[in-house]
Amino acid sequence: AQSVTQLDSQVPVFEEAPVELRCNYSSSVSVYLFWYVQYPNQGLQLLLKYLSGSTLVKGINGFEAEFNKSQTSFHLRKPSVHISDTAEYFCAVRNNAGNMLTFGGGTRLMVKP
Amino acid sequence: GAGVSQTPSNKVTEKGKYVELRCDPISGHTALYWYRQSLGQGPEFLIYFQGTGAADDSGLPNDRFFAVRPEGSVSTLKIQRTERGDSAVYLCASSLGLDADTQYFGPGTRLTVL
Repeated sequence: AQSVTQLDSQVPVFEEAPVELRCNYSSSVSVYLFWYVQYPNQGLQLLLKYLSGSTLVKGINGFEAEFNKSQTSFHLRKPSVHISDTAEYFCAVRNNAGNMLTFGGGTRLMVKP
Repeated sequence: GAGVSQTPSNKVTEKGKYVELRCDPISGHTALYWYRQSLGQGPEFLIYFQGTGAADDSGLPNDRFFAVRPEGSVSTLKIQRTERGDSAVYLCASSLGLDADTQYFGPGTRLTVL
């Protein structure tokens, strides 16, 4: 079994400030890691994914995430946020024995002017 | 190209009724997934198809839920004797079916059971 914990349900931040959204997972086997973004009334859109190799992964819209195996974390970062980044962000894992994604509860990023 | 589409976008029904939710995956995608997202929570896996067959239905909550994909493309999620607790957004995703491939999500169907 695997699980994902997103430690912050909401993260308020001012425009142009840096942000980090935290994600921790547990799994008894190797996993693939994903971050998705969900804008209001829209479907989930993939931001980035870690499959193997370099632990620092760059995604769309200036986001990046770092896989830390010892801490079982995959935190999402952006050095300078925009109002348009306001959305719900979901961390997800998939183990190499299955195909479905296990999602965290989500973090609502609220960017204020 | 066209993304994953789901119909209807909203469905309101009464307790005890039967509903069908449709998913049109991206053309050429052999893998199709259904997830359920309750208010304020992350999506939860329901069922996964590889081609026409259900490769994993371990997430279906009970036997009132059933899904089909008869021709390996469009899928229908069927819910019998709906209950108020079934109210949620039902998400469909598709992928090429290869290992570690990206799942592309549709906009979802918001089901409300009165």
